[in-house]
Amino acid sequence: AQSVTQPDIHITVSEGASLELRCNYSYGATPYLFWYVQSPGQGLQLLLKYFSGDTLVQGIKGFEAEFKRSQSSFNLRKPSVHWSDAAEYFCAVGGVLTGGGNKLTFGTGTQLKVEL
Amino acid sequence: KAGVTQTPRYLIKTRGQQVTLSCSPISGHRSVSWYQQTPGQGLQFLFEYFSETQRNKGNFPGRFSGRQFSNSRSEMNVSTLELGDSALYLCASSLEAGFLSYEQYFGPGTRLTVT
Repeated sequence: AQSVTQPDIHITVSEGASLELRCNYSYGATPYLFWYVQSPGQGLQLLLKYFSGDTLVQGIKGFEAEFKRSQSSFNLRKPSVHWSDAAEYFCAVGGVLTGGGNKLTFGTGTQLKVEL
Repeated sequence: KAGVTQTPRYLIKTRGQQVTLSCSPISGHRSVSWYQQTPGQGLQFLFEYFSETQRNKGNFPGRFSGRQFSNSRSEMNVSTLELGDSALYLCASSLEAGFLSYEQYFGPGTRLTVT
């Protein structure tokens, strides 16, 4: 079965510092990978996605992620964090092995705190 | 283009009651998925509808059900509410177009509190 692991429950960074959020997946075929962000009391906003091709993908709000098949990872990065980036970040995997239909399997999330 | 809308945004119900939540997908999106989000269990897949048919179902009891209408709008129903059903219920829609089907767009959610 597919699964997603986000090993860091909480991360605190200073404003202006770089950020990397880790995501590891388990999937028996080529996965489709996503990062979503959720602000308190809100739904999930899609930051970026990987389907195929270039392993470095760019998203909204200055985020990027790199797909590394050999490490089963899809880490999210941002060169300089802004206070407004404080939120919870979810990594998700989807694909033809997810039991039919368009189901996504999510990680447990990483709560990002930004210190001013 | 308008995003996914969910109504109501907040609900307070009593144990034993039933509740119906509504979701309108992005125009042109024909697949609608529902997820439950709780602090303890995280984001869990409930079910997915396409073309008025349930295509995929998560591991939830039969008290959780849903349907989809011909205009792709969807409703989910929870009967005999339990305290543990308190959660944020998220609806997501996507195109039905190969790998793009997995690119889901979420609504703001319905916060259900069961007392």
